[in-house]
Amino acid sequence: EDQVTQSPEALRLQEGESSSLNCSYTVSGLRGLFWYRQDPGKGPEFLFTLYSAGEEKEKERLKATLTKKESFLHITAPKPEDSATYLCAVQVNDYKLSFGAGTTVTVRA
Amino acid sequence: EPEVTQTPSHQVTQMGQEVILRCVPISNHLYFYWYRQILGQKVEFLVSFYNNEISEKSEIFDDQFSVERPDGSNFTLKIRSTKLEDSAMYFCASSEVFGYGTEAFFGQGTRLTVV
Repeated sequence: EDQVTQSPEALRLQEGESSSLNCSYTVSGLRGLFWYRQDPGKGPEFLFTLYSAGEEKEKERLKATLTKKESFLHITAPKPEDSATYLCAVQVNDYKLSFGAGTTVTVRA
Repeated sequence: EPEVTQTPSHQVTQMGQEVILRCVPISNHLYFYWYRQILGQKVEFLVSFYNNEISEKSEIFDDQFSVERPDGSNFTLKIRSTKLEDSAMYFCASSEVFGYGTEAFFGQGTRLTVV
């Protein structure tokens, strides 16, 4: 069965304290790995798509990387506005995303 | 910036009643999806829809559920005879293409509460 596991479940950071979130996956034939940001009571907001091992994408203070078994979301010098739940999802076939449970990041000023 | 729009934002219904959740996907997108998220749980796939047909559905999407594109802009999810366990956030999503690396864009969700 295809699985997506995210760790840690929660992360509390001081403003400026860089850290990384992990997403490990087991899927036959990865068609894409996605990172989304979700604010409380809102829908997932698309951040990145990664297709192949070694690929990296950046957006502001966020950088996503991909290996054959896992992906990392690095948050560099976070600000309070980076507080959110970060979701990892893998595309398991043409039509379906399988999501992890998410990492809730809280950045204190 | 184009976005997926969902209405209503919150729906409260009596157990056993029918509800219709509405979505306006991004205008040039051809592939539409419904996902749901029970409080504190993962976002889970319900159904995908293309060219007026269901492309794929999950085990959750049984005869209680149906989807429809009634006109050129709306995409709806109907839940018949609602149960307490149907209480969740329901997200509509759309994508321009399907297949390898399909980027799906999500709406803000409808919170369904069944009492």
